[in-house]
Amino acid sequence: SQQGEEDPQALSIQEGENATMNCSYKTSINNLQWYRQNSGRGLVHLILIRSNEREKHSGRLRVTLDTSKKSSSLLITASRAADTASYFCATDALSGGYNKLIFGAGTRLAVHP
Amino acid sequence: NAGVTQTPKFQVLKTGQSMTLQCAQDMNHNSMYWYRQDPGMGLRLIYYSASEGTTDKGEVPNGYNVSRLNKREFSLRLESAAPSQTSVYFCATTGNTGRRGAYNEQFFGPGTRLTVL
Repeated sequence: SQQGEEDPQALSIQEGENATMNCSYKTSINNLQWYRQNSGRGLVHLILIRSNEREKHSGRLRVTLDTSKKSSSLLITASRAADTASYFCATDALSGGYNKLIFGAGTRLAVHP
Repeated sequence: NAGVTQTPKFQVLKTGQSMTLQCAQDMNHNSMYWYRQDPGMGLRLIYYSASEGTTDKGEVPNGYNVSRLNKREFSLRLESAAPSQTSVYFCATTGNTGRRGAYNEQFFGPGTRLTVL
């Protein structure tokens, strides 16, 4: 079963608008990460937020984490057509003494010029 | 630096055939992972290797075997391919073995698109 679930599954916006994607998870975590995947390519790490952090920024990206609600959000401000991609959240899970990442199903973002 | 490389990029197999997917990294990372990605399912962990000489099952290991040949290379083998194994396979690495610590980012290869007829 998947730890993280993204919402919405798909999002379509115009260039210049903001895009918000949400992620919910089930168990306690050390940190939560967001990844981006362009069509036909591998995933690229965007940002990591630790469980003791509430908000983190990186360029046009803003991530929040609410551990009491077991949820996170990724905000992309002033979106561009080049932001069109799938976005995945991933949470770490301790198993057998080693941490592993568990990915959600992703949000497909389409930014129209 | 090439980062994480995977071969082949594409492969078509018939049911029952075998093949090995290769992954190599030049990042000097300890941990390596194999995932499969199916439409609407996100990534699911098949096997992982926390360090050279160790391998462990992930979420969906049935039908697969792995070999951590050395620190750089981690291969995934399908002994008898089935149509249910049609998927895109990604290899990833991380420098942190993850034991008891905050988990670092993973670096992904470009993927292998496998079709089993």
